[in-house]
Amino acid sequence: EAQVTQNPRYLITVTGKKLTVTCSQNMNHEYMSWYRQDPGLGLRQIYYSMNVEVTDKGDVPEGYKVSRKEKRNFPLILESPSPNQTSLYFCASSPQGLAGTYEQYFGPGTRLTVT
Amino acid sequence: GEDVEQSLFLSVREGDSSVINCTYTDSSSTYLYWYKQEPGAGLQLLTYIFSNMDMKQDQRLTVLLNKKDKHLSLRIADTQTGDSAIYFCAESQQTGANNLFFGTGTRLTVIP
Repeated sequence: EAQVTQNPRYLITVTGKKLTVTCSQNMNHEYMSWYRQDPGLGLRQIYYSMNVEVTDKGDVPEGYKVSRKEKRNFPLILESPSPNQTSLYFCASSPQGLAGTYEQYFGPGTRLTVT
Repeated sequence: GEDVEQSLFLSVREGDSSVINCTYTDSSSTYLYWYKQEPGAGLQLLTYIFSNMDMKQDQRLTVLLNKKDKHLSLRIADTQTGDSAIYFCAESQQTGANNLFFGTGTRLTVIP
């Protein structure tokens, strides 16, 4: 089944404790992206990757890191989480260079709480 | 970044039509999308419209685009309880663009 998976789905952590949220897609998509969703703000892009070893900042990259060592994986790293990073996080992937709809496929989300 | 605005809430009775509205500021938008988010789930693409189109119909869904006013709407005919969800409008500037810009989302509640 074609899908985007994220782990963990739920995480409660404390300020300053490094964490990684994994994202994996099995559709051979070149483009991957991380969003955070906050009430009243919609989805805001954190980082994106056009291909292996190519990553760029989105709209709200502060406090986050990413890596793209393999095509299928795009982990989101919070080196020193803070309470303002409490949010719902979505990973998404999309075929690159596809003329037309540019549909993104979303993972199920990771709810992170930083205390 | 670009602004994409939606009202936050909409309630309709089962069987009525729902109309969810969206306005955007970027006149170079090429594709406009409607995504649906059901409780506890990620976003799923419902439909999209290219900027040179005025209308697109797909079963119970009708998308209207007024490019002059930068206004997009999604009409759901014969709304069902299963349509209760958050609906996001999104826009991108070009094919294969690096980002989609999302609206705040409209929570649709269907009253039985």
